[in-house]
Amino acid sequence: DGGITQSPKYLFRKEGQNVTLSCEQNLNHDAMYWYRQDPGQGLRLIYYSQIVNDFQKGDIAEGYSVSREKKESFPLTVTSAQKNPTAFYLCASSLETGGTNQPQHFGDGTRLSIL
Amino acid sequence: AQKITQTQPGMFVQEKEAVTLDCTYDTSDPSYGLFWYKQPSSGEMIFLIYQGSYDQQNATEGRYSLNFQKARKSANLVISASQLGDSAMYFCAMREPFSGTYKYIFGTGTRLKVLA
Repeated sequence: DGGITQSPKYLFRKEGQNVTLSCEQNLNHDAMYWYRQDPGQGLRLIYYSQIVNDFQKGDIAEGYSVSREKKESFPLTVTSAQKNPTAFYLCASSLETGGTNQPQHFGDGTRLSIL
Repeated sequence: AQKITQTQPGMFVQEKEAVTLDCTYDTSDPSYGLFWYKQPSSGEMIFLIYQGSYDQQNATEGRYSLNFQKARKSANLVISASQLGDSAMYFCAMREPFSGTYKYIFGTGTRLKVLA
């Protein structure tokens, strides 16, 4: 079945450590997105990418980095510069047809905590 | 600027009754799409229903329908015959394809609790 796979499901980060969250999709979608969700809150956009080798900052990009070397993959690195990384991270993808009617498809998320 | 507003932080509904979750939006683009997602406590986001700005009829998907009032810029989700499994967070989202960003804008969500 086609879908988006995020790993790991749970991740713990030590102080001063960089950690990378994986996101892989086999839907042949052009665009991919990373969101952060704090408890009881909505989704905030971290980074998004419309095509391979190109990505743009979202609303809360500081302390995060991404790469898009392959269409299927959009890993997110939470750097040590992100002082409050504890949150639920969701990866999403969508077709880019130029229309309005393409919903985003989401992975199951990664819960990141500080040790 | 694009904006989605969900004014109900939490809602209760009795099982088997209908419930309406409110969503208002702000955009200057004539072409846009509106989406509703369900997020159970497990965390995954489930796409429920879509409404395009040029659609003449309100969207329906099973027990979900969208009450689209374009002049009022509202896109309320109606869930009929509520079930216990409908208890979840619900998010309204909007996309403007010609804004150049291809971003989706999300509201803050409404937590729905279905009572037995």
